[in-house]
Amino acid sequence: AQTVTQSQPEMSVQEAETVTLSCTYDTSESDYYLFWYKQPPSRQMILVIRQEAYKQQNATENRFSVNFQKAAKSFSLKISDSQLGDAAMYFCAYSVLGNSGGYQKVTFGTGTKLQVIP
Amino acid sequence: EAQVTQNPRYLITVTGKKLTVTCSQNMNHEYMSWYRQDPGLGLRQIYYSMNVEVTDKGDVPEGYKVSRKEKRNFPLILESPSPNQTSLYFCASSIWGTSGTYNEQFFGPGTRLTVL
Repeated sequence: AQTVTQSQPEMSVQEAETVTLSCTYDTSESDYYLFWYKQPPSRQMILVIRQEAYKQQNATENRFSVNFQKAAKSFSLKISDSQLGDAAMYFCAYSVLGNSGGYQKVTFGTGTKLQVIP
Repeated sequence: EAQVTQNPRYLITVTGKKLTVTCSQNMNHEYMSWYRQDPGLGLRQIYYSMNVEVTDKGDVPEGYKVSRKEKRNFPLILESPSPNQTSLYFCASSIWGTSGTYNEQFFGPGTRLTVL
């Protein structure tokens, strides 16, 4: 069974600085998706960024980027120029696609709580 | 407005009293899923459904039932709730999609369930 591990329960960063959140996963599949979700105090799940396993290029979304190391099964999230609004719980997630491209099981990590210090 | 709705948003009940948490989406999505979120454990998938009348177990299905009789609805049923089912529950939906394409999961607002 696939597993997703986030080894940092809590992290803190100074406003405007850069922080990296770690995620490792275990799978025997070759084609899958990886995600980072943000959960602010409102509890809403917000997709931050995704990465397709077959793509070698690391995904970027504005201040958010990933370092995807397929062989090492590592998927870290880098937040640049951290803002107060980035304070939230961050979850790494993994999903294998079915034969028709849709989701099947989705596995989440245990989360990293990010504090942004003014 | 495209959305996933859950009802109720908050529920306090007692052990053994059957309850249903409803989930509805207005995006004509084939895929729907239920998760529970517990401190220190992240989100864990309970059940998912690829289309009407097609469901499968996630990682923590024990004590839960689901049904998918209509495309838009995917209720979560707790036949005999127990205190260890106290949790925050999320429903999500997505297009089923085609091979090689990505389809985002849209999450509902969550249901806070307390079983006494």
